[in-house]
Amino acid sequence: QKEVEQNSGPLSVPEGAIASLNCTYSDRGSQSFFWYRQYSGKSPELIMSIYSNGDKEDGRFTAQLNKASQYVSLLIRDSQPSDSATYLCAARIQGAQKLVFGQGTRLTINP
Amino acid sequence: DTAVSQTPKYLVTQMGNDKSIKCEQNLGHDTMYWYKQDSKKFLKIMFSYNNKELIINETVPNRFSPKSPDKAHLNLHINSLELGDSAVYFCASRNQETQYFGPGTRLLVL
Repeated sequence: QKEVEQNSGPLSVPEGAIASLNCTYSDRGSQSFFWYRQYSGKSPELIMSIYSNGDKEDGRFTAQLNKASQYVSLLIRDSQPSDSATYLCAARIQGAQKLVFGQGTRLTINP
Repeated sequence: DTAVSQTPKYLVTQMGNDKSIKCEQNLGHDTMYWYKQDSKKFLKIMFSYNNKELIINETVPNRFSPKSPDKAHLNLHINSLELGDSAVYFCASRNQETQYFGPGTRLLVL
């Protein structure tokens, strides 16, 4: 079983709709969770981090964490074509120096 | 100002050659990483250094040897390149919880 799992997609969403990206993790010691966005041919960039159960909102982005279910999600409201990218979920075990990444979900926003 | 820079950006070479990739960060971070991203976009950690000391060494062939001359630089040397080494190699540095990635080096082994 992979430590961090995502549906690789592709996920297609019409412009203006809500895009929902999901991620599960296997290690209950994971304490910190991150969503990175990676445009084609570019490097990953951090868009959200979440550490506590519940929701965290930043502009059009909302990260959700449920530690009991070992589940992290990212919602993108009012999706724009510029949101089309691969989204990488990552987790860090408490005290560990490394991030473990999922395989990424490719998101396409259709105009 | 480029926070994390890598050279070269592209590297095309023959099997069996030895090559190096260089990384520099001007963010003042203590921790730096090398990641490999394969064609399926899976991003996997290879090595990490904290203030010039190796702290993470994942299961990577010993043909790969990282070197950190100072905490702002982390280089990666690869001996006897193989076809399976073709990938994008990302350097990153970390400040507390945030990792900043370099632009990547696209390595193609023919």
